[in-house]
Amino acid sequence: DAEITQSPRHKITETGRQVTLACHQTWNHNNMFWYRQDLGHGLRLIHYSYGVQDTNKGEVSDGYSVSRSNTEDLPLTLESAASSQTSVYFCASSLQRQETQYFGPGTRLLVL
Amino acid sequence: GENVEQHPSTLSVQEGDSAVIKCTYSDSASNYFPWYKQELGKRPQLIIDIRSNVGEKKDQRIAVTLNKTAKHFSLHITETQPEDSAVYFCAASMTGTASKLTFGTGTRLQVTL
Repeated sequence: DAEITQSPRHKITETGRQVTLACHQTWNHNNMFWYRQDLGHGLRLIHYSYGVQDTNKGEVSDGYSVSRSNTEDLPLTLESAASSQTSVYFCASSLQRQETQYFGPGTRLLVL
Repeated sequence: GENVEQHPSTLSVQEGDSAVIKCTYSDSASNYFPWYKQELGKRPQLIIDIRSNVGEKKDQRIAVTLNKTAKHFSLHITETQPEDSAVYFCAASMTGTASKLTFGTGTRLQVTL
């Protein structure tokens, strides 16, 4: 069955380290998104992509980067992890814009 | 950019009662309004959505209404059941290059027996 996966599911790292969170979908969806979820803030968009080689900044993009070299993957990189980036990260994908977004299971990141 | 406000932040109802969650949006160009449900420890999942050319949409016990003039939309759950207990998020987006979703801050619904 087609699906969207994230890895790792849990990660502990130290401040200043580079961290990459993986997101992989097998639906052949053009659109992929990264969100962070924090209490009191809901889901906030970090970066998104509408296709290969396309990336766009969301509302909380500082300190994060993404690249889209194929349809299936949109890895999220924290260039130099900060304690403020401790959060639950969700990636999502959709076939068309303004259509259902399917979320991955999430990655819980703790930055010490 | 778009701003979505959601109220209440928590809601407790008795089983069988109705629940209403309200959202307002700021950008009149927004034309797509989905609602997502997130059970504890799980991923968000779409439960219903509405587009600006429709005023109301129903799916069994769930309905969404949209008032474009007032720029607000609401989720209505009737005959609530314990399995409706979850966090609900509203969102808004507009057509075009900016068709990303802006989410509200969520409503924690607790259905008590």
